Amino acid sequence: ETGVTQTPRHLVMGMTNKKSLKCEQHLGHNAMYWYKQSAKKPLELMFVYNFKEQTENNSVPSRFSPECPNSSHLFLHLHTLQPEDSALYLCASSQDKGRGGSYEQYFGPGTRLTVT
Amino acid sequence: AQSVTQLDSQVPVFEEAPVELRCNYSSSVSVYLFWYVQYPNQGLQLLLKYLSGSTLVKGINGFEAEFNKSQTSFHLRKPSVHISDTAEYFCAVSDRGATNKLIFGTGTLLAVQP
Repeated sequence: ETGVTQTPRHLVMGMTNKKSLKCEQHLGHNAMYWYKQSAKKPLELMFVYNFKEQTENNSVPSRFSPECPNSSHLFLHLHTLQPEDSALYLCASSQDKGRGGSYEQYFGPGTRLTVT
Repeated sequence: AQSVTQLDSQVPVFEEAPVELRCNYSSSVSVYLFWYVQYPNQGLQLLLKYLSGSTLVKGINGFEAEFNKSQTSFHLRKPSVHISDTAEYFCAVSDRGATNKLIFGTGTLLAVQP
């Protein structure tokens, strides 16, 4: 596998379910991100992790719970979601600026989430 | 804080015609600028970036963009488009600080017609 991978690619869940999204980056980066992409809206940054530490949480509801066990893996745990949470969830990674990073983020293909 | 404006939500164009997708940004500090492309059912792919130096930046797939500091713009251009260029294009800005946070515009759908 190369680049940034995400599983599953599609997920349908009820409002009472618990599920997790997985992201893995094979680029040796040390920063990872979760974005939410809804129709007709700009990409919304949800969480940022640098060296496994969460450095940003953009007022995301607690029904979304991120986990970053190491610099290569990022999870988004979902529980008691609402229909308005249906969206494409994108994971990205980048290299820290202080370590020769060139600032751009590399994105995975996304997980299309539908909450019924 | 930075912000990005993509005024055109959709740009229809005929195949082999030139195209320009507009991007304006707002920032009180120097920024880095990016264009990403998103094909249907895929993630975002970097087209090109401006970090410093020459204001004309060339990217993949024949695209280029010009950084204009006085007009705070970073418009994307291609002299001749193909059907395969049909996709959503996003402009993004990052400050030159410690974080790698990107601020995205709302995107422009480039619809290439035969």
